[in-house]
Amino acid sequence: KAGVTQTPRYLIKTRGQQVTLSCSPISGHRSVSWYQQTPGQGLQFLFEYFSETQRNKGNFPGRFSGRQFSNSRSEMNVSTLELGDSALYLCASSLSQGDGQAFFGQGTRLTVV
Amino acid sequence: EDQVTQSPEALRLQEGESSSLNCSYTVSGLRGLFWYRQDPGKGPEFLFTLYSAGEEKEKERLKATLTKKESFLHITAPKPEDSATYLCAVQADGYALNFGKGTSLLVTP
Repeated sequence: KAGVTQTPRYLIKTRGQQVTLSCSPISGHRSVSWYQQTPGQGLQFLFEYFSETQRNKGNFPGRFSGRQFSNSRSEMNVSTLELGDSALYLCASSLSQGDGQAFFGQGTRLTVV
Repeated sequence: EDQVTQSPEALRLQEGESSSLNCSYTVSGLRGLFWYRQDPGKGPEFLFTLYSAGEEKEKERLKATLTKKESFLHITAPKPEDSATYLCAVQADGYALNFGKGTSLLVTP
């Protein structure tokens, strides 16, 4: 059974640019959550999507957005990048909304210069 | 506001030297407490879910326990392959997982 796939694995962007990250969940999983991981703050919840609708949102500015498609694949977008957005972005898939037993991808390492 | 605090931040053990990691939490309406393991360069890997005080779960050398204020991850006779960062997360009525900052465990031969 294929795991959660995140693309790209690594990304370098310049301040002010925007970026889109992609996540393909485990087949049959309908919930996708996104997290930001930094050495100082640890893992922080960004948002959760289920059935193409955002069900939950963390405490991040509106520059961070996402969407989910009918096949449960999800994308996350960050606009007007700031240096502080440099982090590992992790996607996690679950069978259903609010299922804490999540399966994580390997993440996308974003560096903003 | 929900809070999750893990201690110690880092722990170094010799192979076979048992120890415990702590996760203390304050949350209103606990739905579940979760333990994850994260290896360098990888995403977290699910280990256990605990739902109510007194509950215990075991897997190989790991045993997780839960009280009303904290959870412990006991590691018995650890091996070098147990080296990783162990993350604790709580889930309240809002459903989002609130993670602690983790305990970095190093087991030396």
